[in-house]
Amino acid sequence: EPEVTQTPSHQVTQMGQEVILHCVPISNHLYFYWYRQILGQKVEFLVSFYNNEISEKSEIFDDQFSVERPDGSNFTLKIRSTKLEDSAMYFCASKGTSAAGELFFGEGSRLTVL
Amino acid sequence: KQEVTQIPAALSVPEGENLVLNCSFTDSAIYNLQWFRQDPGKGLTSLLLIQSSQREQTSGRLNASLDKSSGRSTLYIAASQPGDSATYLCAARTGTASKLTFGTGTRLQVTL
Repeated sequence: EPEVTQTPSHQVTQMGQEVILHCVPISNHLYFYWYRQILGQKVEFLVSFYNNEISEKSEIFDDQFSVERPDGSNFTLKIRSTKLEDSAMYFCASKGTSAAGELFFGEGSRLTVL
Repeated sequence: KQEVTQIPAALSVPEGENLVLNCSFTDSAIYNLQWFRQDPGKGLTSLLLIQSSQREQTSGRLNASLDKSSGRSTLYIAASQPGDSATYLCAARTGTASKLTFGTGTRLQVTL
């Protein structure tokens, strides 16, 4: 069964360092997302990406964050200068060809900022 | 702004019981609602997607209902099993926005 794949599963970094989280969405999906979940809190929307551009972003997704789809398969989230409060589980998700469709999530990348 | 609430926050039931998890949302202009399961430290597994035009969706022992006018959705789990133990999340897509707004989840434990 097709699945969303995320790497790394866990990354530890120092405050101020740049981090790139990688995602391979389900093949033929057109809508891509990043969400995050701080420990013990709700899953929060960060950004959605469609047709090679950001379609929506939350207040959390400030200038320190960026997304890229460098080729036909990868979808990355970059945090330019990490802060302690960026520590969270980051989930990539994708959706098929219909905006009304089901969202499929990856297993997540746990980011720990020291 | 859409707010999604799930009650109870935690629930413990003996194996074999039927149970209902509740999800409430403040903005009835939802496009669809999706139920997920999350095991500790893991990702989100989609269980059911229910469109705004639907009242129910079923998958195996799971049945989700949607009542837009009252701002509620329920997830019914029949004949619960220990393997059903997990956190269950509901998430609403509202209006033309693409994003999902999540509830805080209900942590379910099914005991032997």
